[in-house]
Amino acid sequence: GESVGLHLPTLSVQEGDNSIINCAYSNSASDYFIWYKQESGKGPQFIIDIRSNMDKRQGQRVTVLLNKTVKHLSLQIAATQPGDSAVYFCAENHTGGFKTIFGAGTRLFVKA
Amino acid sequence: NAGVTQTPKFQVLKTGQSMTLQCAQDMNHNSMYWYRQDPGMGLRLIYYSASEGTTDKGEVPNGYNVSRLNKREFSLRLESAAPSQTSVYFCASSEYGGARTEAFFGQGTRLTVV
Repeated sequence: GESVGLHLPTLSVQEGDNSIINCAYSNSASDYFIWYKQESGKGPQFIIDIRSNMDKRQGQRVTVLLNKTVKHLSLQIAATQPGDSAVYFCAENHTGGFKTIFGAGTRLFVKA
Repeated sequence: NAGVTQTPKFQVLKTGQSMTLQCAQDMNHNSMYWYRQDPGMGLRLIYYSASEGTTDKGEVPNGYNVSRLNKREFSLRLESAAPSQTSVYFCASSEYGGARTEAFFGQGTRLTVV
């Protein structure tokens, strides 16, 4: 069935280093992918998205890479800051669909 | 901007009790969603409303009902609460569904069923 999974449930990085969070998806029909950030006690917040006609998209300090061949998605955070500590979810959907599928999440710890 | 507002923020129910979770958005979005989030798991879709006047089942609809009251409001009802429904519930909205726009989430309702 459809599933979106994450390779690492917890990631710990030093402040100032770059972070890479990985995600695998299984639905070949998915053509829209989103990364969300969830801080403790809050709802998920949109970070960045990418459509399947792209391999890479950059935002402010964040980059999402999409490899459709191996159905892999990654989120790169440059110069990680304490405020980046949160749980990060990848999610996928497809054109015409309403059922966004979320991965289990990766908790990012940033050490000062 | 308020965005997506959920009430209540916390609730404790006894098994068998009923309650309604309220959600309202002020972004004039067409689509609205209810998710539940359990420890160690991602969000799972309970029900969604693609547009005003329509509702559809998501991944885990059993034990729940929804009402899209108008374009702004989308409520989730538990008719007879069970301990398995202990979870954090999130309402979300998006301008459109599917592969077009991201969703905006409320702050969540933490529900405990004892």
